[in-house]
Amino acid sequence: DAKTTQPTSMDCAEGRAANLPCNHSTISGNEYVYWYRQIHSQGPQYIIHGLKNNETNEMASLIITEDRKSSTLILPHATLRDTAVYYCIVPISGGYNKLIFGAGTRLAVHP
Amino acid sequence: DTEVTQTPKHLVMGMTNKKSLKCEQHMGHRAMYWYKQKAKKPPELMFVYSYEKLSINESVPSRFSPECPNSSLLNLHLHALQPEDSALYLCASSQGSWSGPRVDEQFFGPGTRLTVL
Repeated sequence: DAKTTQPTSMDCAEGRAANLPCNHSTISGNEYVYWYRQIHSQGPQYIIHGLKNNETNEMASLIITEDRKSSTLILPHATLRDTAVYYCIVPISGGYNKLIFGAGTRLAVHP
Repeated sequence: DTEVTQTPKHLVMGMTNKKSLKCEQHMGHRAMYWYKQKAKKPPELMFVYSYEKLSINESVPSRFSPECPNSSLLNLHLHALQPEDSALYLCASSQGSWSGPRVDEQFFGPGTRLTVL
């Protein structure tokens, strides 16, 4: 797998944007970046994925640098319910559909 | 229905017991997964089933035995477990239509919290 590096923890005030960085400097040209999150006592939840272009959906935006060596997940208006562990994953290519979770970033949203 | 259900929610078993975890989805997905998650650690992939056939076994000890009776159901049979096997066991499913580096979105269940005494 392309190894990803994320900060261990981050804080964010409710209503502000949460910007979660991820470093994936060994990513190959055709490998995607996926983001999942896991709220306490729940299973992980898919958020978004991207290849080269920036992506946006109802949950978040994903900004990928031009050299694709890093990306940022943006939660535009964080709420208390967004408190979770956020995982940045670059799955291996080759048709195995494997998700290898790293340690992730523990995001705490506070009032 | 975009839900993956897992039963039971909690399970306590002795090292000599035999028990089974059950996972079910009705999204028409053709791939199903088992993950193990220890406290304060990320999920670790155990098994992948694709079109009811085991496609990946991540060198899991034989005391864990997966079974996929049909495309909607996934079981994990447990026998002679050790206390260190205590963990949250997560099931997931996906369409099964991945190709190359693009992988399916996986839908996870809430997990079964297993305690081995």
